[in-house]
Amino acid sequence: AQTVTQSQPEMSVQEAETVTLSCTYDTSENNYYLFWYKQPPSRQMILVIRQEAYKQQNATENRFSVNFQKAAKSFSLKISDSQLGDTAMYFCAFMKGNQGGKLIFGQGTELSVKP
Amino acid sequence: SQTIHQWPATLVQPVGSPLSLECTVEGTSNPNLYWYRQAAGRGLQLLFYSIGIDQISSEVPQNLSASRPQDRQFILSSKKLLLSDSGFYLCAWSVGDRVIETQYFGPGTRLLVL
Repeated sequence: AQTVTQSQPEMSVQEAETVTLSCTYDTSENNYYLFWYKQPPSRQMILVIRQEAYKQQNATENRFSVNFQKAAKSFSLKISDSQLGDTAMYFCAFMKGNQGGKLIFGQGTELSVKP
Repeated sequence: SQTIHQWPATLVQPVGSPLSLECTVEGTSNPNLYWYRQAAGRGLQLLFYSIGIDQISSEVPQNLSASRPQDRQFILSSKKLLLSDSGFYLCAWSVGDRVIETQYFGPGTRLLVL
């Protein structure tokens, strides 16, 4: 069975600085996808970024980028120029290819951006 | 564009009472639909998923059930609520014919069972 581990329950960063959130996963699959979701205080889950396992190039979305290390089964999220609105719970998620879209979530990292 | 609605937003129910949570998706057809539960602000647990009408799979045995009366409507129900059913319930949709089947979530329902 696949598992997703986020080893940092809480993190904080100063506004305008850079922070990296860690995520590791365990799978024997070769075809899969990885996601980072953000859950602000409103509790709505918002997609931040996604990565196909077969792509070596790391995904980037504006200030958000990932460091995908397939051999190490690591999928960290880097937030550059942190903003107060980035304060949220961040979840890493795994999905096997061709599995009806079932997501397996990590336990989350609570990020606080301080002014 | 696609939107997903959930209601009610908040619900307080006594133990032993029935439950019905509704999720509706607009702007797409034949979506895959999902129900998740989130306890104590931590990870999400997949409860049910549906790849079509009359095609519903349960991931976790419990006293909850799901139904899909219409293509874009997904209902989460219980005949008798337990205290342990309290939590935050999220509905999500995805389209299965994309390169990456990405799930998009609704605003959620906060359920408190007393």
